[in-house]
Formats: sequence, structure tokens, C-alpha cells
Amino acid sequence: DGGITQSPKYLFRKEGQNVTLSCEQNLNHDAMYWYRQDPGQGLRLIYYSQIVNDFQKGDIAEGYSVSREKKESFPLTVTSAQKNPTAFYLCASSRGGTGGTYEQYFGPGTRLTVT
Amino acid sequence: AQSVTQLGSHVSVSEGALVLLRCNYSSSVPPYLFWYVQYPNQGLQLLLKYTTGATLVKGINGFEAEFKKSETSFHLTKPSAHMSDAAEYFCAVSEDPGRRALTFGSGTRLQVQP
Repeated sequence: DGGITQSPKYLFRKEGQNVTLSCEQNLNHDAMYWYRQDPGQGLRLIYYSQIVNDFQKGDIAEGYSVSREKKESFPLTVTSAQKNPTAFYLCASSRGGTGGTYEQYFGPGTRLTVT
Repeated sequence: AQSVTQLGSHVSVSEGALVLLRCNYSSSVPPYLFWYVQYPNQGLQLLLKYTTGATLVKGINGFEAEFKKSETSFHLTKPSAHMSDAAEYFCAVSEDPGRRALTFGSGTRLQVQP
């Protein structure tokens, strides 16, 4: 079955440690995205990538980094510089090209808790 | 810049009653509009989308939404609520082909009372 996988489902880290969240898709989508979700705030865009080896900052990129070395994979690193890293992180993907309806497909999410 | 406003962070209805979740957007160009549903501790699932053409859009699970340009609205409705509809619902808009990312509303949590 095609879809997006995120691992792990739950992640616990100590303050000051970097942590990497995995996102893999087998939908053959060109574009991938990372969102952060906090209670009552909807989803906010962290980073997005429209093609391999290229990515752009979203609205809340500070304290995060990404890479896009393969079409299928878009890992997100939460660095120690992120002041409030505890949140639910969602990865998504969509078809590329100049047309399309920009429909995004979401993974199941990773809940990160930093203490 | 585009934005999305969802009126009412919590909506409670009785089973069998009409569901109405409100969404208003601001956009300088004709937008693409989406409704997503999220169950606890899960990702988002697409309910329906408006791109072009017919302004009344039908989605999964009996939901539908109507694009009203004059009112800049895209309200989500379902004639008869079911217990399984209890979830959080997000309206989203996209107008920037270059960025291709979505701007989400803050969400509406739907509670269905027996």
C-alpha cells in the first residue's frame, strides 16, 4: 500500500539534545512538507521541499533543519536551538509539477516530548 | 497573504443533527480550499477539496462544502451527525503555486452527543 510513514510514533528526549524525525513516502511524490501542531493552533509549516536536494524554510524554521537526499525521504532534525520543541510533528507529501490541486497526504505523526 | 479563520474552536451536536463547521478565508487570488479531519493522535485525512468548477463539493463520510466567493466562505456540512464524526476538523487554503504549501485554520473540535 502506498503511503507515508513516520517513525517513531512517540519520542522522548532530554533538553539540549538534537533529535531526528523520520519521514518516508512511497507515493512517488515530488513535494514533501513538515508541519508542527500545537493545541489550538492548527498546523504551522516548518520546511518544505519541492524536489530532491532542494528545500525552503516555512513559517517557523528556526531551530529545525532538514535534508532531501532522496525523493522518498525528508528527515527533520529538531536542534537544541528550538526553544519549545515539545509538539506533534506531521509530515506530508504532494504531487509536483506546475499544475495540480496541491492536495497533501499526511503521515501518522510523531509526538516529541522534551524534558 | 492568505489566511483561514475557523469560527468556533468547539462545536457540539446531538447524534442525527445537522453538522455545520464554518471556514472563512482571505486570498488575493482564486484559492484552492480543503477540509481535513484528524482523529486523536493521528495524521490528517482529506475530506474534500475545491479547485475549480462546481461550487458544491461532496466528500467522504457524507460531508459536503460550498464555496461562496462573495462571502469568502467554505463551510463544511453533514445532514446527520454520527458518533464516529467526533474529531477535529481543519480548513486549509492554497493560493501560492510556487510554494505549494497549505495554510491551515486553527481547527474545530466536533463533539457528538448520544
